[in-house]
Amino acid sequence: DAKTTQPPSMDCAEGRAANLPCNHSTISGNEYVYWYRQIHSQGPQYIIHGLKNNETNEMASLIITEDRKSSTLILPHATLRDTAVYYCIVGETGANNLFFGTGTRLTVIP
Amino acid sequence: GAVVSQHPSWVICKSGTSVKIECRSLDFQATTMFWYRQFPKQSLMLMATSNEGSKATYEQGVEKDKFLINHASLTLSTLTVTSAHPEDSSFYICSARGVVEGAGTQYFGPGTRLLVL
Repeated sequence: DAKTTQPPSMDCAEGRAANLPCNHSTISGNEYVYWYRQIHSQGPQYIIHGLKNNETNEMASLIITEDRKSSTLILPHATLRDTAVYYCIVGETGANNLFFGTGTRLTVIP
Repeated sequence: GAVVSQHPSWVICKSGTSVKIECRSLDFQATTMFWYRQFPKQSLMLMATSNEGSKATYEQGVEKDKFLINHASLTLSTLTVTSAHPEDSSFYICSARGVVEGAGTQYFGPGTRLLVL
């Protein structure tokens, strides 16, 4: 069952920031927000996760709203290699079933 | 860190044969491993969850006698597709999760593409 909603596709100019939104209005207090991406014909790649605070790592930043009902993944300087399907997933600690849904297909344009 | 490998990366086999796919966590001990399947233009679907030293738990609709899973060590899980048929052709992906600390993130292998003729 989908717990998140994402736009099906987005374009972003190379070198610009890519902001990928995700709605998760039914998220519960002990559920994390995970972001993965899948480049064509490869396994999903973990990007970042968070509970309620904003998070940043070498790949991206995750901004979670105060009510936790939505979040935004930010790729600060998109490159052509960032073209992929991005999945926003919510789940409890150690949740077995990561429901991938349909994700957002991000296309970075030269 | 958190590297997961799969072997083979692709395999072509005749209908009726069995195919074994290996999944290894290279730099951490995976207490739990997961097997997913992805058909063209579809999302990943969880097939089964395995914990080291115990029987796998299969998702509804996945035949346990057809998809044999063994998780004999903390770094290796295998999926055997027995008597493979063309409809089993798919992209098989494993993931591994270490000791559940914090979020218990899953890390994925590169996938194995199976084509059954």
